[in-house]
Amino acid sequence: NAGVTQTPKFQVLKTGQSMTLQCAQDMNHNSMYWYRQDPGMGLRLIYYSASEGTTDKGEVPNGYNVSRLNKREFSLRLESAAPSQTSVYFCASSGRGGDYTDTQYFGPGTRLTVL
Amino acid sequence: GENVEQHPSTLSVQEGDSAVIKCTYSDSASNYFPWYKQELGKGPQLIIDIRSNVGEKKDQRIAVTLNKTAKHFSLHITETQPEDSAVYFCAASRRNDMRFGAGTRLTVKP
Repeated sequence: NAGVTQTPKFQVLKTGQSMTLQCAQDMNHNSMYWYRQDPGMGLRLIYYSASEGTTDKGEVPNGYNVSRLNKREFSLRLESAAPSQTSVYFCASSGRGGDYTDTQYFGPGTRLTVL
Repeated sequence: GENVEQHPSTLSVQEGDSAVIKCTYSDSASNYFPWYKQELGKGPQLIIDIRSNVGEKKDQRIAVTLNKTAKHFSLHITETQPEDSAVYFCAASRRNDMRFGAGTRLTVKP
């Protein structure tokens, strides 16, 4: 099993450009998450999907949109990138979802620079 | 919302010594407390976790303790090795809402 995979690994954008970060998991997990990690800070939740067909805002959702394409895939879109969105983005997944607080497993990350 | 504070931000120990990292949380409804290890250029990897109905958990050289009344939990690494050098994050979670501490950079000197 590959676990959680993310593409691309690195990306450089100009201010105002758009892009989509892709995430896929092969663990048959119900819930998926997008986080950003900035220097000196822990990970902060952008959006999550508790189950296929649902998405919810996390702590820092402004400037982002998400799509839960199917049970395996969860994408993050930046419609008009800004320098403040320069960060490392991590996707994660967890098993049961619902009312149960489950372990989250993380992908390798996408390092995004917005000039 | 939940707020997690983690100390110290950097920790340097000699190989073979113990390392302790402490976290506090604010939301008494949090019921799951994982610890992640992150190596340079990689995603966080779970090393140990504890749920709110347990006070202590151990896995070989790693142990975690939880004090629900005081809202704090700690990571203990014994007999540290150079390969333990990494950034460690604590987190407090309830359902899908997981909040992380700012991280501790642990350096183990040979």
